[in-house]
Amino acid sequence: QSALTQPASVSGSPGQSITISCTGASSDVGGYNYVSWYQQHPGKAPKLMIYDVINRPSGVSGRFSGSKSGNTASLTISGLQAEDEADYYCSSYTSSTTQVFGVGTRVTVL
Amino acid sequence: QVQLVQSGAEVKQPGASVKVSCKASGYTFSDYYVHWVRQAPGQGLEWLGWININNGGTSYAQKFRGWVTMTRDTSISTAYMELSRLTSDDTAVYYCARELRGSWLTGDFEYWGQGTLVTVSS
Repeated sequence: QSALTQPASVSGSPGQSITISCTGASSDVGGYNYVSWYQQHPGKAPKLMIYDVINRPSGVSGRFSGSKSGNTASLTISGLQAEDEADYYCSSYTSSTTQVFGVGTRVTVL
Repeated sequence: QVQLVQSGAEVKQPGASVKVSCKASGYTFSDYYVHWVRQAPGQGLEWLGWININNGGTSYAQKFRGWVTMTRDTSISTAYMELSRLTSDDTAVYYCARELRGSWLTGDFEYWGQGTLVTVSS
């Protein structure tokens, strides 16, 4: 199972919106609404930000939203803040009842 | 509150095996799948597999089949991940993670252990 494709880096100024894409295949992203997104700050465990493509766990800011079209899922961060600077990973359930992560995207707040 | 507490850092020689533990508290251990994820230094997240705590069933990433084993001891609410035939490429932080919803297998990891650094070096 190959890792899902994400851009290596995305940047934006405070207050702007950015979108991170996550491209897979019909056997993973495109076949199931079980795509999740994780935020990871240096030296910390990942934090669940979005699950089931569009849902936010309790306590996650409404500035984070998810969507999916075909084999590509996306995470949008609105009103970018300095604290959003981190690595972001997508993850998808697969037809083999396994999981696959994206390669990760470094978000930089300019 | 839900907690996953992992065992401490390990240093192993190439060819050896390592067994990492993940002790759960704050919820009914048998109700949730537990997954294992690793992260090599400066690299991304890599999924190793899951264990159904209720019946002990497992599923491993194809890359790790034959050299990873996941088990659990429900009497002490602890899950284990053992990796054999270690090489320097296995140097990484290993995490256990719990599914968001009980009895569901969707890969939504709401709770994570603190991570266990495994260093493979001669």
